[in-house]
Amino acid sequence: KQEVTQIPAALSVPEGENLVLNCSFTDSAIYNLQWFRQDPGKGLTSLLLIQSSQREQTSGRLNASLDKSSGRSTLYIAASQPGDSATYLCAVQTGANNLFFGTGTRLTVIP
Amino acid sequence: KAGVTQTPRYLIKTRGQQVTLSCSPISGHRSVSWYQQTPGQGLQFLFEYFSETQRNKGNFPGRFSGRQFSNSRSEMNVSTLELGDSALYLCASSLAGGTGGRETQYFGPGTRLLVL
Repeated sequence: KQEVTQIPAALSVPEGENLVLNCSFTDSAIYNLQWFRQDPGKGLTSLLLIQSSQREQTSGRLNASLDKSSGRSTLYIAASQPGDSATYLCAVQTGANNLFFGTGTRLTVIP
Repeated sequence: KAGVTQTPRYLIKTRGQQVTLSCSPISGHRSVSWYQQTPGQGLQFLFEYFSETQRNKGNFPGRFSGRQFSNSRSEMNVSTLELGDSALYLCASSLAGGTGGRETQYFGPGTRLLVL
């Protein structure tokens, strides 16, 4: 059974710092890996999608990498801002729109 | 383009009752998935519908059911509510889903259900 783990569970950084969030999964038979952000009491916003054949994706200050063989992904956030404060979730797709989610990393960026 | 909408946003029910939640996908999207989010279990996949057919199902009891209409709108129903069903229920839509791995899922704001 697929299991997705995210480390750390919570992270506090001062504004302007670069940071890395980690995600690991146990079964490498995935179609893609996605990173989402969730603000308190809200739904999920898609940040990046990496197909299983890809190694990384970039969007603005965000860069996500995927190493399918080792079951790992990282989300790099450059020059963090207070508006980046949220919970970040990674998810792997294993079937027709069946996403397995990690437990998330709660990020706080201190002004 | 309007995003995914879910109604109602908040709901309070008592144990033993049943509840129906609604999800309207982004226009043109034909795949709708449902997820349950709780503090203890996190986000868990319930089921996915495409063209009015359930294509995939998570590991939830039969009290949880759903359907999709010809306009791609979807409903999920929970019968005989239990305290543990209190959660945020999220739906997500995508163009066609499937296993190509290229499509992003777009999530609605969720329905927060409290069972007393």
